[in-house]
Amino acid sequence: GQQLNQSPQSMFIQEGEDVSMNCTSSSIFNTWLWYKQDPGEGPVLLIALYKAGELTSNGRLTAQFGITRKDSFLNISASIPSDVGIYFCAASLNTGTASKLTFGTGTRLQVTL
Amino acid sequence: DAGVIQSPRHEVTEMGQEVTLRCKPISGHDYLFWYRQTMMRGLELLIYFNNNVPIDDSGMPEDRFSAKMPNASFSTLKIQPSEPRDSAVYFCASSLRRVGEQFFGPGTRLTVL
Repeated sequence: GQQLNQSPQSMFIQEGEDVSMNCTSSSIFNTWLWYKQDPGEGPVLLIALYKAGELTSNGRLTAQFGITRKDSFLNISASIPSDVGIYFCAASLNTGTASKLTFGTGTRLQVTL
Repeated sequence: DAGVIQSPRHEVTEMGQEVTLRCKPISGHDYLFWYRQTMMRGLELLIYFNNNVPIDDSGMPEDRFSAKMPNASFSTLKIQPSEPRDSAVYFCASSLRRVGEQFFGPGTRLTVL
């Protein structure tokens, strides 16, 4: 099935650094979501975006819904060790009755002290 | 509030055996989703229900897989007979009518020997 392209695939950063990752698609979506998955757990919703151009923050996290509706980015400021995990973008094209999500390939984040 | 509950958390079985995975969605949510996650294919949607009715089962890999939702608080995913290639982590997620925001359970790690 269709997937969203996330980049980078993985990144090593030092504690305190800012992180940026993005997600692109060849198709238009009208909802973008960002999830974080810790080892052995299910994905946890971080931020939801519903409007093109929308910029939303959740603590140290900021995400934007691209104007073209084909992309989104997630920024993490002042990273800490517990930010380690896999970050997934997800998007849907709501048709009124369905809310199927298409998931990205994931960005693995590792934070060093 | 309790999140999505899945059981068992781990299942090891032998090829040919029947496997049943269970899910209790968040109370009040009217959409329920079953996903499979593997390293090779990422997160794949298998099937989803709306108000206990299966809406889209196009992601179910083959007839060996079946899913039911007898009431609003319980769903099962059954594999019969199981095969080694079914080894994966299976997630259940639920959401409200506000499309997109799906909440995931902790997953069931299935190993078929």
